[in-house]
Amino acid sequence: DVVTTQSPLSLPVALGQPASISCRSGQSLAHSDGNTYLSWFQQRPGQSPRRLIYNVSIRDSGVPDRFSGSGSGTDFTLKISRVEAEDVGVYYCMQGTHWPWTFGQGTKVEIK
Amino acid sequence: EVQLVESGGGLVQPGGSLRLSCIVSGFTFSNYWMHWVRQAPGKGLVWVSRIRSDGNRKHYADSVEGRFTISRDNAKNTLYLQMDSLRVEDTAVYYCSKDDYGSNTLDYWGQGTLVTVSS
Repeated sequence: DVVTTQSPLSLPVALGQPASISCRSGQSLAHSDGNTYLSWFQQRPGQSPRRLIYNVSIRDSGVPDRFSGSGSGTDFTLKISRVEAEDVGVYYCMQGTHWPWTFGQGTKVEIK
Repeated sequence: EVQLVESGGGLVQPGGSLRLSCIVSGFTFSNYWMHWVRQAPGKGLVWVSRIRSDGNRKHYADSVEGRFTISRDNAKNTLYLQMDSLRVEDTAVYYCSKDDYGSNTLDYWGQGTLVTVSS
């Protein structure tokens, strides 16, 4: 299975400040069909996961534009330009290029 | 509005069985692969199983292969997970999730159902 490693695992951030989460995979996530299947999910406390971004950088409908995704190959990043209170939770990356799909360990974002 | 509602979780002894259900609405269920993902208490997300839209292809994580069976009833818009020979390490919240065809990802999730395996 492809190992996906997130860092940091815990991220205290002051309100209004930027945050950045890294996701690294053990193999390139560039698929033979030309796409790169890397998604980001947010899980607020007590809730089920919600997809924020797919195909590296495409934001889901209703997701604030302060969230952005970037990267290629084996290195990917989720950025929050200005953290708000509602952004508290755990963030997971997931690769869908290699079977079985695998998730990162999660990064807990909290307000400093 | 897309909705996925799981049920069937509960407390079971090691070696026991449970069947989870997931009733969906808001999309054409018979057109999509469907998945089960689990999350042990305080831990991360782990993919468990998936089934093709027509029910004729199924895949499982190594940890549940031979013990869990995924199935679906497209006439009832319902996804199932039959869990046999349950182990303590199967304790988790189980989520059903819809495949986002063409993007190799999961776009909608249910609220989850808790399975506790304990003597």
